[in-house]
Amino acid sequence: EPEVTQTPSHQVTQMGQEVILRCVPISNHLYFYWYRQILGQKVEFLVSFYNNEISEKSEIFDDQFSVERPDGSNFTLKIRSTKLEDSAMYFCASSERAVGQPQHFGDGTRLSIL
Amino acid sequence: SQQGEEDPQALSIQEGENATMNCSYKTSINNLQWYRQNSGRGLVHLILIRSNEREKHSGRLRVTLDTSKKSSSLLITASRAADTASYFCATDYGNNRLAFGKGNQVVVIP
Repeated sequence: EPEVTQTPSHQVTQMGQEVILRCVPISNHLYFYWYRQILGQKVEFLVSFYNNEISEKSEIFDDQFSVERPDGSNFTLKIRSTKLEDSAMYFCASSERAVGQPQHFGDGTRLSIL
Repeated sequence: SQQGEEDPQALSIQEGENATMNCSYKTSINNLQWYRQNSGRGLVHLILIRSNEREKHSGRLRVTLDTSKKSSSLLITASRAADTASYFCATDYGNNRLAFGKGNQVVVIP
């Protein structure tokens, strides 16, 4: 069964550094998402992406964050000038359509900011 | 807040027993989804129920939706040790994002 893959599985970064989290969505999916889960808290929506542009973003997704689909397979989340509170699990997901379809999640990248 | 909220949050049962989890939400939805998360892994989609549906089955899973009460329940029948996981409901308001609840930790004792 097709899967969403995320790399790396664990990223340790110094505060203030930039980090790029990578995802390969399922190949025939058109909608891509990033969510995060701070330890012990809810899974929170960050951003959705369709047709090479952001279609929806949450209040968490400020100017520190950006997303990109640099080629036909990868989908990346860049966090500039990382803060301690950015430490979380970051999940990528994809779906065939925007509404009424399940989202398929990767196993996540654990981001630790020191 | 437009987010699902599950209740109870922790459940410990014997293998073979049924497990029931509830979820409530605050405004009209397009659909509601249940996901499972094993420790250290991603979210696995279990079942989706649309706002015009009242009940749905998938294997040992049964989901109900009561839009008048803005609530849903997930029933796992004949539980197995492998069902040990966290279970999340997520509401889809048709705005291209899912809103997750806090999750239920289910432990199935062999």
